[in-house]
Amino acid sequence: QVQLVQSGAEVKKPGASVKVSCKASGYTFAGYYMHWVRQAPGQGLEWLGWINPKSGGTKYAQKFQGRATMTTDTSISTVYMELSSLRSDDTAVYYCARSIEAAGNDWFDPWGQGTLVTVSS
Amino acid sequence: SYELTQPPSVSVSPGQTASITCFGDKLGDKYACWYRQKPGQSPVLVIYQDNKRPSGIPERFSGSNSGNTATLTISGTQAMDEADYYCQAWDSSTAVFGGGTKLTVL
Repeated sequence: QVQLVQSGAEVKKPGASVKVSCKASGYTFAGYYMHWVRQAPGQGLEWLGWINPKSGGTKYAQKFQGRATMTTDTSISTVYMELSSLRSDDTAVYYCARSIEAAGNDWFDPWGQGTLVTVSS
Repeated sequence: SYELTQPPSVSVSPGQTASITCFGDKLGDKYACWYRQKPGQSPVLVIYQDNKRPSGIPERFSGSNSGNTATLTISGTQAMDEADYYCQAWDSSTAVFGGGTKLTVL
């Protein structure tokens, strides 16, 4: 079955960077886009952007441009999301989620199990 | 930037129909999706392209989208449906989520 397995929880200091991984299985990795969505404690969902594993192309939400970097390693069916210059309000659970494309008629299914990133001094 | 607005909470009695709304400017011109999230779990897709159900989602879940409002309807609501529900749409190649609605079954 289609499965997205993310890396474990991270604790970082303000100003540092964090890199979260998402390993896909059960489908043709290059055939789907991968998105990153985060959820701060007790808050709603916030979209960070997507990566096309086939081309390496990316698109970031304006809020995260210059601070988020999404990459892929097709040899191991894994995507990465690196967030730099961390602040306390970056503390959140970060999810990867698959879509067929990145267009208005698309949806996110399935989602990874989430990775808690805690930013604290 | 585009915004989607949901009521913070909705309550329903078991066996009754729950309706959760999602408001956005000309939302009916876009496709809406809905996700269910139970405490400590990842979101799960329950409706896509306004009114389509993924395999494994019960028939009691349905959706509609017209004008400025998308609606998720749960018929014969069960205790297991208690969760947070989020609507989502696309605007200018950017994914936008509503703030979420906590559905309480009591």
